[in-house]
Amino acid sequence: DGGITQSPKYLFRKEGQNVTLSCEQNLNHDAMYWYRQDPGQGLRLIYYSQIVNDFQKGDIAEGYSVSREKKESFPLTVTSAQKNPTAFYLCASSKLGQGGRSMEAFFGQGTRLTVV
Amino acid sequence: AQTVTQSQPEMSVQEAETVTLSCTYDTSESDYYLFWYKQPPSRQMILVIRQEAYKQQNATENRFSVNFQKAAKSFSLKISDSQLGDAAMYFCAYRSGNNNDMRFGAGTRLTVKP
Repeated sequence: DGGITQSPKYLFRKEGQNVTLSCEQNLNHDAMYWYRQDPGQGLRLIYYSQIVNDFQKGDIAEGYSVSREKKESFPLTVTSAQKNPTAFYLCASSKLGQGGRSMEAFFGQGTRLTVV
Repeated sequence: AQTVTQSQPEMSVQEAETVTLSCTYDTSESDYYLFWYKQPPSRQMILVIRQEAYKQQNATENRFSVNFQKAAKSFSLKISDSQLGDAAMYFCAYRSGNNNDMRFGAGTRLTVKP
């Protein structure tokens, strides 16, 4: 079935270690997004990408890095520079319509990252 | 960057009644899209309804409808005949038609009372 897969569902890491969250989609979508959600709060944009080998910073990019080497994949690395990395991370993708217009975003099931 | 504001952190509705969730946004763009997403306790994001800014007609999906006021930059969601399964967090979202940047509001937690 087509969809977006985030792995793992739960991730534990020691403070000071880098960690990479996986996001894969087989929907043939051009645009992909990473969001952070803290308890009881909304989604804050970390990075997004409209095309392979290109991506833009969102509101809270500091301490995070991404790559887009393949259309299907958009991994997020949480670096040791991120001061408070414990959160729920959501990946999304969407189709681009004519003239670069996009449709609604489809979401993965999320990764809960806990740094101890 | 565009901002999305949901001024109601929590709302409550009696089963079978109607409730309206508010959303305002700030933008200087003319080309954009608006969405309402639902997030149940499973945390899976589910699209409820979408609205293209260039369309004047308000979108409707079964029991869900929007009141899109472009000049006022307002995009409210009306849920009719509320059901217990409607209980969730609801997020309003704005997508730029120019660069595909997509932003969300802080969310409204909806409780449905039996």
